[in-house]
Amino acid sequence: DAGVTQSPTHLIKTRGQHVTLRCSPISGHKSVSWYQQVLGQGPQFIFQYYEKEERGRGNFPDRFSARQFPNYSSELNVNALLLGDSALYLCASSLEGNPEAFFGQGTRLTVV
Amino acid sequence: RKEVEQDPGPFNVPEGATVAFNCTYSNSASQSFFWYRQDCRKEPKLLMSVYSSGNEDGRFTAQLNRASQYISLLIRDSKLSDSATYLCVVNTYTGRRALTFGSGTRLQVQP
Repeated sequence: DAGVTQSPTHLIKTRGQHVTLRCSPISGHKSVSWYQQVLGQGPQFIFQYYEKEERGRGNFPDRFSARQFPNYSSELNVNALLLGDSALYLCASSLEGNPEAFFGQGTRLTVV
Repeated sequence: RKEVEQDPGPFNVPEGATVAFNCTYSNSASQSFFWYRQDCRKEPKLLMSVYSSGNEDGRFTAQLNRASQYISLLIRDSKLSDSATYLCVVNTYTGRRALTFGSGTRLQVQP
């Protein structure tokens, strides 16, 4: 069975640009969450989606947005990129009612 | 104060050693607890869930003390392949299932 898949794996963007990151959850998982991990820190929660509805948002500016599609895949969008947005962006999927989360390999975003 | 606190390490131990990691969490309403393992530049992988009764999986033992808001992970007979960062993770359900991660404790097992 395929695990959580994310694309792209690496990305280099310039300050001010926008970026779209994609995630496909494990088959049967309807909940998708996004996390940002900067070097030396643990992942920080950005968003959670379930059945296409936003269930939660972390302490991130409005430049960050996300959505979930009918097939439960998800996109994370970041506008007006800043140098500080450089990080590993992780997508996790889980079964509703089960807090155990399974992560994709992440997208490493570098803003220059 | 961070919601989940861990000693960042690094812990440098010889093969075969026993090593213990500790973690404290600040939200007494937290409901679920986990240890994740993260290899360098890879995604976190679930190592084990942590229960109040304690649980063991091979060489790994996890304990939870709700009264002290303290979680531990014990690794016995360390292997070179155990070298990684160990993340203490807490779930506090407030209408969303967001995991709160500690900064991780780095373990380096040496031959």
